[in-house]
Amino acid sequence: DAGVTQSPTHLIKTRGQHVTLRCSPISGHKSVSWYQQVLGQGPQFIFQYYEKEERGRGNFPDRFSARQFPNYSSELNVNALLLGDSALYLCASRSDGTDTQYFGPGTRLTVL
Amino acid sequence: QKEVEQNSGPLSVPEGAIASLNCTYSDRVSQSFFWYRQYSGKSPELIMSIYSNGDKEDGRFTAQLNKASQYVSLLIRDSQPSDSATYLCAVNENYGQNFVFGPGTRLSVLP
Repeated sequence: DAGVTQSPTHLIKTRGQHVTLRCSPISGHKSVSWYQQVLGQGPQFIFQYYEKEERGRGNFPDRFSARQFPNYSSELNVNALLLGDSALYLCASRSDGTDTQYFGPGTRLTVL
Repeated sequence: QKEVEQNSGPLSVPEGAIASLNCTYSDRVSQSFFWYRQYSGKSPELIMSIYSNGDKEDGRFTAQLNKASQYVSLLIRDSQPSDSATYLCAVNENYGQNFVFGPGTRLSVLP
């Protein structure tokens, strides 16, 4: 079975621009979470979605938004990019009845 | 604010030795705990989860949980150079909504 997939792998943007990151969960997984990992730190929780509804939100500004589609894939959008948004963005999925999360390969975002 | 703390390392051990990684957490209601391994430039991969007090063994890995002390550890026996990575401790909060991660401990296994 395919694991969690994310696209793109790498992305370079300039300050003020907007970015959309995409994630497809493991087949059968309805829950998708997004994390930001700055170099040298652990991942920080951004959002969790389940059945297209937001179930949790971390301490991130409103410039960050997300949504989940009927096929359980998800998008993370970041507006008005700042230099500090440069990070590895991780998507994780889990199946119903468990709390074990499996991570995708991540999207490396660089903001110049 | 709920926190997860780990020794930042780096922790260096010789090949074949036991590596001991430690993690403490602040939220007493946390119920599930996870160890992930992350190689440089890669995403975290699950090593094991633990839910009950005591030890849980999986191959060369043993997780230990003490909820009274709010402490979880990971032992790696017969450490190999391929075990050199950053080890992330994650604690489940909000009954499954999201994980809180520690900063990770960098492990270096010397040949």
